[in-house]
Amino acid sequence: KAGVTQTPRYLIKTRGQQVTLSCSPISGHRSVSWYQQTPGQGLQFLFEYFSETQRNKGNFPGRFSGRQFSNSRSEMNVSTLELGDSALYLCASSLVRGRVNNEQFFGPGTRLTVL
Amino acid sequence: QKEVEQDPGPLSVPEGAIVSLNCTYSNSAFQYFMWYRQYSRKGPELLMYTYSSGNKEDGRFTAQVDKSSKYISLFIRDSQPSDSATYLCAMIRPDDYKLSFGAGTTVTVRA
Repeated sequence: KAGVTQTPRYLIKTRGQQVTLSCSPISGHRSVSWYQQTPGQGLQFLFEYFSETQRNKGNFPGRFSGRQFSNSRSEMNVSTLELGDSALYLCASSLVRGRVNNEQFFGPGTRLTVL
Repeated sequence: QKEVEQDPGPLSVPEGAIVSLNCTYSNSAFQYFMWYRQYSRKGPELLMYTYSSGNKEDGRFTAQVDKSSKYISLFIRDSQPSDSATYLCAMIRPDDYKLSFGAGTTVTVRA
């Protein structure tokens, strides 16, 4: 079974631009979560989508948004990029949601650099 | 103050040594505890999970949870160079199911 895939793997943008990142979950997984990983803040939860609806949200500004399609693939968008948005963006998929023992499988991440 | 505190290290040990990693947390609502391993240029992968106080073993790995002290640990016995990675603790509250991660500890096992 293929793992979680994320595209692109690397991205360079300039301040003020917007970016869209894509995540394809493991086949059959319906929940997709997004995380931001930086050296200073570590891994921080952005949001979770399940059945095309945002179910949970972390403490990030409205410039960060996402969506999920009927095939469970998800995209996240960051508008008006800032230097501090430079990070590794990780997507994780899981079979279901709402259970504490629900294992999340992570993709390799998209490395975003904002110049 | 972060909800989950983890010393980022780095930690360097000789092959065969015991690696000891730990995290503290402030919110007693956390009920489920995990350890993830992240190799360079890869996403985190789940190593172990536990929901009760006490020890859980899986091969060379032992996870400990002390809910009364809000303290969790991961021990790696007979460490190998292939164990060189960043280890992240994570925990979940049953009321929101969001994973809260520690900063991660970078471990290098020297051959």
